[in-house]
Amino acid sequence: QLQLQESGPGLVKPSETLSLTCTVSGGSISSSSYYWGWIRQPPGKGLEWIGSIYYSGSTYYNPSLKSRVTISVDTSKNQFSLKLSSVTAADTAVYYCGIAVAGTGWFDPWGQGTLVTVSS
Amino acid sequence: DIQMTQSPSSLSASVGDRVTITCRASQSISSYLNWYQQKPGKAPKLLIYAASSLQSGVPSRFSGSGSGTDFTLTISSLQPEDFATYYCQQSYSTRVTFGQGTRLEIK
Repeated sequence: QLQLQESGPGLVKPSETLSLTCTVSGGSISSSSYYWGWIRQPPGKGLEWIGSIYYSGSTYYNPSLKSRVTISVDTSKNQFSLKLSSVTAADTAVYYCGIAVAGTGWFDPWGQGTLVTVSS
Repeated sequence: DIQMTQSPSSLSASVGDRVTITCRASQSISSYLNWYQQKPGKAPKLLIYAASSLQSGVPSRFSGSGSGTDFTLTISSLQPEDFATYYCQQSYSTRVTFGQGTRLEIK
């Protein structure tokens, strides 16, 4: 059974780059059966999809974040990563990684989430 | 992008009640509609996928219906553990989007 775990700094300074990693266990990130995504949730607010990466390497990003987001895969470590540049306080959120079966679009399972606070 | 609108935004109900939450898409999404349940401090949990398919392990009191632009999530008889926030999500587009959420509270 696939399991996901987010990791990365819990505090990032304004204008810097937020970097998070999602480690996958119980299966291979190289599998063509899945694709991988990042979703965030500001405190007290709803869910916002950030972007997804397919086994082919194709990426899709939320248009509102596209200019600042990069999602990549490291198959040697069975991980995928999120980089969000030029962060502001509005980027403070719980960040989740999730997996979707190729051709479906629903995320299951999700990681437990990690809170990232943007503050000086 | 496809906009998803849920109603109501919040709902008070009692144990044993039948509850319906609605999700409307800004364009037709066929049956590419999924429902999640989220409890405080926890990651969302998939309940229903492809509009009406019950995820493994989810109680049968949960059901989903609809196609095109209008969808519903129904809980047939509320249990104490069902009080949570519910989100719909469209997966018709590769750029998925979520509804704003419906908070289900105890009356």
